[in-house]
Amino acid sequence: SQKIEQNSEALNIQEGKTATLTCNYTNYSPAYLQWYRQDPGRGPVFLLLIRENEKEKRKERLKVTFDTTLKQSLFHITASQPADSATYLCALDMINSGAGSYQLTFGKGTKLSVIP
Amino acid sequence: GAVVSQHPSWVICKSGTSVKIECRSLDFQATTMFWYRQFPKQSLMLMATSNEGSKATYEQGVEKDKFLINHASLTLSTLTVTSAHPEDSSFYICSAKQLGPAPYEQYFGPGTRLTVT
Repeated sequence: SQKIEQNSEALNIQEGKTATLTCNYTNYSPAYLQWYRQDPGRGPVFLLLIRENEKEKRKERLKVTFDTTLKQSLFHITASQPADSATYLCALDMINSGAGSYQLTFGKGTKLSVIP
Repeated sequence: GAVVSQHPSWVICKSGTSVKIECRSLDFQATTMFWYRQFPKQSLMLMATSNEGSKATYEQGVEKDKFLINHASLTLSTLTVTSAHPEDSSFYICSAKQLGPAPYEQYFGPGTRLTVT
């Protein structure tokens, strides 16, 4: 079965610096990889989706890379702010033939703390 | 747009009783809804996938007779935890995908905190 590892359980970073979070997976490559933000006691909020044939995707201060050879995605937040403090989840989007739909499999997440 | 609501946001119930959680897509139609469970400091674990008008597909290890899922319309899915026990205490989150070619971004509800005493 697919295994997803987000290497750091927690990451502390100084305000204004770039935060880089890592997501590694085993076995076969997903068609899509997604990143979500989750605040305590809340559901995840979608941030970015990257397809297997895309190397990089950007959205404002966010950047995601996807290397299917390394089986790795990197998630960057530039000019980080204390409001960026949250848990960031990597999720792989793969077809579930039994259910007849795509299904997300989540990593455990990395808790990012941006220190003023 | 693309808002998913859940009700209630938290519930406390006695062991042996049943609890129903509602999940609604407020401004879009969702052919597929998903139910997840999340324990503290753990990943979201998919419990089941439900397609409107058909039976839910449960993940391995999830008891379908204990966690009843109904997806009666394109905007509403319900999860009923029957004969709840303290080990069922968890954070339950639903999500929905819009109609259209897969995949789409999944939109998540705010979650329901269930505590069974």
